[in-house]
Amino acid sequence: NAGVMQNPRHLVRRRGQEARLRCSPMKGHSHVYWYRQLPEEGLKFMVYLQKENIIDESGMPKERFSAEFPKEGPSILRIQQVVRGDSAAYFCASSPPMVATYNEQFFGPGTRLTVL
Amino acid sequence: AQSVTQLGSHVSVSEGALVLLRCNYSSSVPPYLFWYVQYPNQGLQLLLKYTTGATLVKGINGFEAEFKKSETSFHLTKPSAHMSDAAEYFCAVSDRGGYQKVTFGTGTKLQVIP
Repeated sequence: NAGVMQNPRHLVRRRGQEARLRCSPMKGHSHVYWYRQLPEEGLKFMVYLQKENIIDESGMPKERFSAEFPKEGPSILRIQQVVRGDSAAYFCASSPPMVATYNEQFFGPGTRLTVL
Repeated sequence: AQSVTQLGSHVSVSEGALVLLRCNYSSSVPPYLFWYVQYPNQGLQLLLKYTTGATLVKGINGFEAEFKKSETSFHLTKPSAHMSDAAEYFCAVSDRGGYQKVTFGTGTKLQVIP
C-alpha cells in the first residue's frame, strides 16, 4: 500500500517562473492538505481540498498561489512568478473520508523548492 | 485560535540519557494532540497521538507523552536516548470537530551525543 507520493522531490526555479507541485494521496483517501515549511520553522497550513473542491484556503497567500484536486489525477499546488521567499519544503498530507471520530493525516516526503 | 509552543529549538542529550521535549498548547477546548518526527530531507512520521481516554500515550520507538489538561501540556519523553533518535520533533494540535486542521509548533531539533 503506497503512501502519499509527491513529485518532484526537488525543484529549482528562477525568479518569475512557475512551479507545479504534485501530490498523489494514499489509496482510498479523498482529502488532501498542503503545508509549507520555511527554513527553521514548523509546518504552516496552506489549503485543504476534497475532490474537485477547495474546503479551506485560509493559509494560502492571496496572490500567485493556487491549488486543485481534480476528479482524476493528483492534487496540484501551483506557484506563479516565483520569488526567493517561496523557497521552502512543501508537504502534502492525505486522510480518508470523515467517517471516524479521528482521521489521521499521512504525510508525503515533500517537495523542496529552491528559487534562484 | 489554537497555538502550540515548543520550548527549546535545540536539545542535546547524551546517548542513554532521558529525552524530554516540551510542548504547551493553547486551545479553548481540549484538542487532539500529536508528536511527529522528521528526519533530514524526509516527511513527517507520526510518533504518537492523544485523542481520548488514557492521558499517558505510548508511541513508536519507545516514546511516550502525557496529556495534562491542567497544565495544557503534552511533553514527549523517552527513558534512554539512542543515536537514531537524532531528528526534529514537532508537536501539533487539531480541533476535535470539523476536518481537524492541524497546527504545528516550530519544532525541536534533538541531538544525541555519543
